[in-house]
Amino acid sequence: NAGVTQTPKFRVLKTGQSMTLLCAQDMNHEYMYWYRQDPGMGLRLIHYSVGEGTTAKGEVPDGYNVSRLKKQNFLLGLESAAPSQTSVYFCASSLYTEAFFGQGTRLTVV
Amino acid sequence: SQQGEEDPQALSIQEGENATMNCSYKTSINNLQWYRQNSGRGLVHLILIRSNEREKHSGRLRVTLDTSKKSSSLLITASRAADTASYFCATPNTGFQKLVFGTGTRLLVSP
Repeated sequence: NAGVTQTPKFRVLKTGQSMTLLCAQDMNHEYMYWYRQDPGMGLRLIHYSVGEGTTAKGEVPDGYNVSRLKKQNFLLGLESAAPSQTSVYFCASSLYTEAFFGQGTRLTVV
Repeated sequence: SQQGEEDPQALSIQEGENATMNCSYKTSINNLQWYRQNSGRGLVHLILIRSNEREKHSGRLRVTLDTSKKSSSLLITASRAADTASYFCATPNTGFQKLVFGTGTRLLVSP
């Protein structure tokens, strides 16, 4: 049972480049989340999904897009990366109560 | 803005001592959850307390909830060096859809 898997684990982007972060869960969870974690800021919710085909904005959605075409996958896209998007990104999934987290993606935008 | 605020931001204690951290939140909740994050890793769920509960125990963890003050506390008894981590409270919105975290307490337990 893999739980929540994030791909990739590390990435360096140049300003203006695009990329997609993949989150996959094998627990049949309805809810999935993308967070970013910056020093001293805790976790901030970027986007979330309450089921296949649905997405919604969180606290800090600007500069990001998401898609949930399949129940098990939640994709986070950066269309034009900016240095302010340098962060550690965490995906999580849940079924109403406790959330299960992936190991994170450390993204650096130079 | 974030829903929860943990206090203190950092806490340093010796092994065997108790560690208490607090969480304040802003809106009505159905439940409040505590998570732990070891350095560089994903968060791990510790305990959930429902809005109609005042206290809950799990091993060395004791959580209290005061909905009138919109606050919760996490007590770790007889701390160990392995308890060194950051601790976060989290609250879902009433539809259990959005899960919003506080800013965390960094706990350092020295041998």
